[in-house]
Amino acid sequence: GQSLEQPSEVTAVEGAIVQINCTYQTSGFYGLSWYQQHDGGAPTFLSYNALDGLEETGRFSSFLSRSDSYGYLLLQELQMKDSASYFCAVRDYGQNFVFGPGTRLSVLP
Amino acid sequence: DAMVIQNPRYQVTQFGKPVTLSCSQTLNHNVMYWYQQKSSQAPKLLFHYYDKDFNNEADTPDNFQSRRPNTSFCFLDIRSPGLGDAAMYLCATSSGQKNTEAFFGQGTRLTVV
Repeated sequence: GQSLEQPSEVTAVEGAIVQINCTYQTSGFYGLSWYQQHDGGAPTFLSYNALDGLEETGRFSSFLSRSDSYGYLLLQELQMKDSASYFCAVRDYGQNFVFGPGTRLSVLP
Repeated sequence: DAMVIQNPRYQVTQFGKPVTLSCSQTLNHNVMYWYQQKSSQAPKLLFHYYDKDFNNEADTPDNFQSRRPNTSFCFLDIRSPGLGDAAMYLCATSSGQKNTEAFFGQGTRLTVV
């Protein structure tokens, strides 16, 4: 079976840095993805980690530790438009992307 | 632009009346997925196709069926919608080879009355 855990909510102010953690237990693991979803919209891809370490894409960075079954998404220089839900997702052996429960990020002025 | 397109964006159906949701893609991806997402929840995988090979999740109700007549199109059939099936239905694709990213359509919001 597969199980992912994320905090349900995070709140931060504009310009701040926020980290959203994800832990997982899966029967097969190829990599960890992060998706952003605004209310009423579709999930959009942010990053993918197959190997341990940090991947940086602009203001967003993602980290993976396979030995700890743990990853995080780091958002820097927060903007109001970053208010959204963020999902981690495991790419498993069956071509599937299994999503975590999601973290709702609220950015305050 | 290459993309994943879902029609319609909003669908209202009657309790128990069969309904079909459609998805098309211009990415030429091997894999197509259907996810169900209820309010404030994660997308839940219903099934996926790898080319013509159909893969059903163990807990997907029999009420949900899917067809993929060709690479570009995939359909979700709900044979007898219940009130509990009201949700956003998301179609996604990925390349079977690289497969590091799923590309989502805008979704169809299904209302059952």
